[in-house]
Amino acid sequence: GQNIDQPTEMTATEGAIVQINCTYQTSGFNGLFWYQQHAGEAPTFLSYNVLDGLEEKGRFSSFLSRSKGYSYLLLKELQMKDSASYLCAVMDSNYQLIWGAGTKLIIKP
Amino acid sequence: DADVTQTPRNRITKTGKRIMLECSQTKGHDRMYWYRQDPGLGLRLIYYSFDVKDINKGEISDGYSVSRQAQAKFSLSLESAIPNQTALYFCATTGEGDTGELFFGEGSRLTVL
Repeated sequence: GQNIDQPTEMTATEGAIVQINCTYQTSGFNGLFWYQQHAGEAPTFLSYNVLDGLEEKGRFSSFLSRSKGYSYLLLKELQMKDSASYLCAVMDSNYQLIWGAGTKLIIKP
Repeated sequence: DADVTQTPRNRITKTGKRIMLECSQTKGHDRMYWYRQDPGLGLRLIYYSFDVKDINKGEISDGYSVSRQAQAKFSLSLESAIPNQTALYFCATTGEGDTGELFFGEGSRLTVL
């Protein structure tokens, strides 16, 4: 079966750095997405990786290793507004998105 | 105004009632999706449509039906609601040829008593 694993919850301190991991086992691979979802709101797109390596976008970076079935989202200079759930999703060989359950990130002052 | 609009945003209903959730988008996208989200679970695909004449079942279509009335409108129906359909429902769109980035509506919270 297809599976996306990510930690259920993480806690970090304002101003610090946090890394949220995602491992996947899917039927084929056509890209990996990270979305941010604030409580009670819709998910919003953060990043897309299809090739191995690091993609940097401001305070957020996303890394992919296809051989290891692994990705991480790195958030730097954490702000209180970064408190949210972070969803990892993989597009399989049929171009269908398989979603992880999400990681709830709690930022403490 | 939001690019993807869902109505109603909140609905409480009783077991056995018929419910329709509506979605409209102004992005001009052909592809539209309905997902449900439950605590502790990932988003699960109910139905998707690549154009007005194309409707496809997702992984959890049982108990649901959809209608693609126009390119901009995609509605989800629960013919006879049951309590385990209590969830947060999202409509989403994406354009053909894009990386697959989804644009989500604000969500419809449905409670079935």
